[in-house]
Amino acid sequence: GQNIDQPTEMTATEGAIVQINCTYQTSGFNGLFWYQQHAGEAPTFLSYNVLDGLEEKGRFSSFLSRSKGYSYLLLKELQMKDSASYLCAVTFNDYKLSFGAGTTVTVRA
Amino acid sequence: NAGVMQNPRHLVRRRGQEARLRCSPMKGHSHVYWYRQLPEEGLKFMVYLQKENIIDESGMPKERFSAEFPKEGPSILRIQQVVRGDSAAYFCASSPVVGGETQYFGPGTRLLVL
Repeated sequence: GQNIDQPTEMTATEGAIVQINCTYQTSGFNGLFWYQQHAGEAPTFLSYNVLDGLEEKGRFSSFLSRSKGYSYLLLKELQMKDSASYLCAVTFNDYKLSFGAGTTVTVRA
Repeated sequence: NAGVMQNPRHLVRRRGQEARLRCSPMKGHSHVYWYRQLPEEGLKFMVYLQKENIIDESGMPKERFSAEFPKEGPSILRIQQVVRGDSAAYFCASSPVVGGETQYFGPGTRLLVL
């Protein structure tokens, strides 16, 4: 099963921090990806977590707890260009990416 | 190194026509995946192909949809006798190997059926 859930929308101020949560059913879990998608464009890869813990990449970090079926994407020092949809995607037992509906982040000046 | 390429970027068809969507994977990638994104929904897996082989088409509608990845040339997603409900963004992704490897996405083809 999948049931990948993430909030629909979040709004934050330039320079602030935003945390986007993602939950999923743990049965068959393989790994979790975060993608960024600007309107009308391709999803671009941000991070991949397969083990528990925090992966940091510049202003973006991603956390995974396999036992809890939970991940978050942390965006620090928000910039206007970070306004986009953030997609949580999971692989279960195989290669197919199962996507959540996406979280639209709006950064305000 | 060019990324995943898709064409056309936008395609308009009338009901009953055929739509052909093309995808060229990243250089060195032999695994291609097609996903569909309906308005206001998440991306949904359709089909996974390797050169000359369909590995998994479990996400593809049984009728009117077909996909191929020939030995030479791009992967093609073909939709026959399109209906309004086929209007969506169709994304192709590629990876160098299968299983846990990051999939890199193309810019998508936005299909509008009138």
